[in-house]
Amino acid sequence: GAVVSQHPSWVICKSGTSVKIECRSLDFQATTMFWYRQFPKQSLMLMATSNEGSKATYEQGVEKDKFLINHASLTLSTLTVTSAHPEDSSFYICSARATYTLLDEQYFGPGTRLTVT
Amino acid sequence: DAKTTQPNSMESNEEEPVHLPCNHSTISGTDYIHWYRQLPSQGPEYVIHGLTSNVNNRMASLAIAEDRKSSTLILHRATLRDAAVYYCILRGEYNFNKFYFGSGTKLNVKP
Repeated sequence: GAVVSQHPSWVICKSGTSVKIECRSLDFQATTMFWYRQFPKQSLMLMATSNEGSKATYEQGVEKDKFLINHASLTLSTLTVTSAHPEDSSFYICSARATYTLLDEQYFGPGTRLTVT
Repeated sequence: DAKTTQPNSMESNEEEPVHLPCNHSTISGTDYIHWYRQLPSQGPEYVIHGLTSNVNNRMASLAIAEDRKSSTLILHRATLRDAAVYYCILRGEYNFNKFYFGSGTKLNVKP
């Protein structure tokens, strides 16, 4: 099946610094990737849709200047959390939409645990 | 966005069938019904999806009501590895195929 990886799997950073999270589709091309955030004991919340070669579209309430998304190739999207604060500590999950089959499924990465101290 | 309603939690015995319900009374005609599950500290995993007809795959079966306002995910023989949060999600063509997750059902499987 289609595999999506994320790097790093966990990261600890100091308040005020920026952190970049990578999302890669390993064995398929993904024109669309999605970024989610999940707080403890809560569900996934869609943050933004990342389209290869164009600007990302953000969900209401998500600060685009704080969460920078770049989708430079058909297999890579990055999320940069700028000027991170403790309240940004969360589990960040990406997914990639596979359009090469009739299933048109989303495949999720394993997630990145961000802790801001 | 069409919403889904699921019980917060369910419990099952190992090797018994499990029926996980989902209500989606505001579903539109083009919305697909997707099921994903999430183990602790992992990304969601695809389980099954369908549009109108019942669907079967190696993991589960999906039974869709005739009016499509509800569906049921069926695990034929629950194992301890099936303990997870199960999400029922509607995917619509008119919202660019985005997934909006509800609260899901936490399935506990007892040995």
